[in-house]
Amino acid sequence: DAGVIQSPRHEVTEMGQEVTLRCKPISGHNSLFWYRQTMMRGLELLIYFNNNVPIDDSGMPEDRFSAKMPNASFSTLKIQPSEPRDSAVYFCASSPRGVRGYTFGSGTRLTVV
Amino acid sequence: DQQVKQNSPSLSVQEGRISILNCDYTNSMFDYFLWYKKYPAEGPTFLISISSIKDKNEDGRFTVFLNKSAKHLSLHIVPSQPGDSAVYFCAANTGGGADGLTFGKGTHLIIQP
Repeated sequence: DAGVIQSPRHEVTEMGQEVTLRCKPISGHNSLFWYRQTMMRGLELLIYFNNNVPIDDSGMPEDRFSAKMPNASFSTLKIQPSEPRDSAVYFCASSPRGVRGYTFGSGTRLTVV
Repeated sequence: DQQVKQNSPSLSVQEGRISILNCDYTNSMFDYFLWYKKYPAEGPTFLISISSIKDKNEDGRFTVFLNKSAKHLSLHIVPSQPGDSAVYFCAANTGGGADGLTFGKGTHLIIQP
């Protein structure tokens, strides 16, 4: 199994541009989570899906952030427009439904200049 | 409001000795606790977990202790090895796993030869 695959690994973009982060969960995992890691706030849960349905998006910081899961093997996190304070490492994780030990991807390091 | 707190940003331990990482939580609804390990440029990886109905769980060199009355858990690593140098995150959740994990900010463990 290739694990949770995130792309790109690094993204540098200018303020105001749209950014799309991608995630492929492990096959058979029903739950998918998006986290953001910053020095100040640590690992924050942004949103999670069960069976492709968004369950809790209360961690999404602003309307500029949106996430979709069109099918069981793909999810996106979009920031539009991006701002310098969005610079962080964004992690995607997946797990079988009800299993609390998530498998994380390697993350996308986003830098907004 | 930080519901999971790791008050030591870093910890230095000599190789072969015991490493003790601490974690405190405030939410009495948490019923499951986990430790994750993270190397640079990688995602967190699951290490060990404990249910709130137990007070100890052991896996090889790693033991997690839970003190519910004090809302405190700790991770013991014995003996410490150079490969244990990493950032360790404490995490917790509620609701039988129906919601996402809440993470602490992490403790950077450095094993010195």
